[in-house]
Order: sequence, then C-alpha cells, then structure tokens
Amino acid sequence: EVQLLESGGNLVRPGESLRLSCEASGFTFDNYAMSWVRQAPGKGLAWVSGVSGRGGGTFYTDSVKGRFTISRDNSKNTLYLQMNSLRVDDTAVYYCAKDNRYNYPYFFDSWGRGTLVTVSS
Amino acid sequence: ENVLTQSPGTLSMSPGERATLSCRASQSVNSNYVAWYQQKPGQAPRLLISGASSRATGIPDRFSGSGSGTDFTLTISRLEPEDFAVYYCQQYGSSLTFGGGTKVEIK
Repeated sequence: EVQLLESGGNLVRPGESLRLSCEASGFTFDNYAMSWVRQAPGKGLAWVSGVSGRGGGTFYTDSVKGRFTISRDNSKNTLYLQMNSLRVDDTAVYYCAKDNRYNYPYFFDSWGRGTLVTVSS
Repeated sequence: ENVLTQSPGTLSMSPGERATLSCRASQSVNSNYVAWYQQKPGQAPRLLISGASSRATGIPDRFSGSGSGTDFTLTISRLEPEDFAVYYCQQYGSSLTFGGGTKVEIK
C-alpha cells in the first residue's frame, strides 16, 4: 500500500523560510515523479512543483519560481520542498502526490494527507 | 496557461440520480490528457479518471469520463451516498492546471 506522510508545516511570518518533507513507502520511490500540490483554505487545488524520478528534472508553477526548490533523496524515499521568501498567499495545505509516470508530472494516483503552512504577520 | 472552467459550481442532486459535471479548457488539451479527482471534506483528493476516460484502479463503473479537445465530462450514473463530494478536473497536456471544482451536494 502506498503511503505518503508530509511534515514540516508551521506558522511563519512573511519573508521567512520553511522546508516540507514527505516520506514515501509502499512503492519503488525512484521509479516515479513526485509533486507538491497545495490548497488554500476553502479553495481549489493548485499544482506547485514536480520532480522526475531521479531528480534530474524539476518543474515549478510561475508564482513560486525562484522562491521554492523541490528535491528528493531516493536513498531515504523522501521528497522535499524548500520554501523561501514566503508570502501570505502561500498559505495552504500542501499535499505530496505520487505521479503515474517517471520523468515529468502528469497526474497523481496517490496523495498524502497534507501539511498546513500558514504565513501571517 | 490552459485555464480549466468547471460547471456548475454546485450540483444539488438526490441519491440514485445521474450527475453530469463539465470541464472546459481555454485551449485544446494535448492527447486528451485530463484527469478527474474526488475530494471529501478533510481528506486528500482521490484519482478517479485519467486520459479523459480511463478509470483508476478500484473506481466503481458508475464513474465515467468522456470528451476531447476542450470539452470534458465526468458522469456519475447513479449517485451513491458516498459520492457527495467536490470533484476537480486537471489537465496535464501542457504543464498542469486544475479546474475550480464542482460540489455535488445532497438535495
């Protein structure tokens, strides 16, 4: 059974940094691309960033380019999201999502339960 | 960016009825790369459909997807009590974008 467990969410002030982690189990981690998808309170889903199976390809939505960095440690079956220069509109539940394919984000067949990031002064 | 518009925003239905949810893209979706997800309150989304019409593993056959180009549809043939939820479409033909969601509520 695929399991994805996010951690690292917290309350931070605008301009601060935070690193999210996602521990994966139940599948061959480095065979699949992984992504972060967020959901602001009471709003819909928004893809944030993705990384290919070996980590060589990284992809970002425009609003986080230059501020967020996605990475993975396949020896630890763990996905990360380093978030710098956080803004109030980054406030959301951040979901870790397993892709169906290896090299590029497509669609997501498994999701974690999410971790809440709140950016507020 | 390929913007997805879902309609209606809310669908008020009774158990046993047929529900039809629409997802319209601002540009043609490459290879009909559209997925549908179901999300219940306080839960993560669950994949229902990929490639516009392929049901995910374990998804009941009352869920079906159709469409091509810019217009896509999710149909629930007979609503069960557990189907009342929010549904999102997503395109992955050009980067990735989600629609705003359709809430299926009990009438």
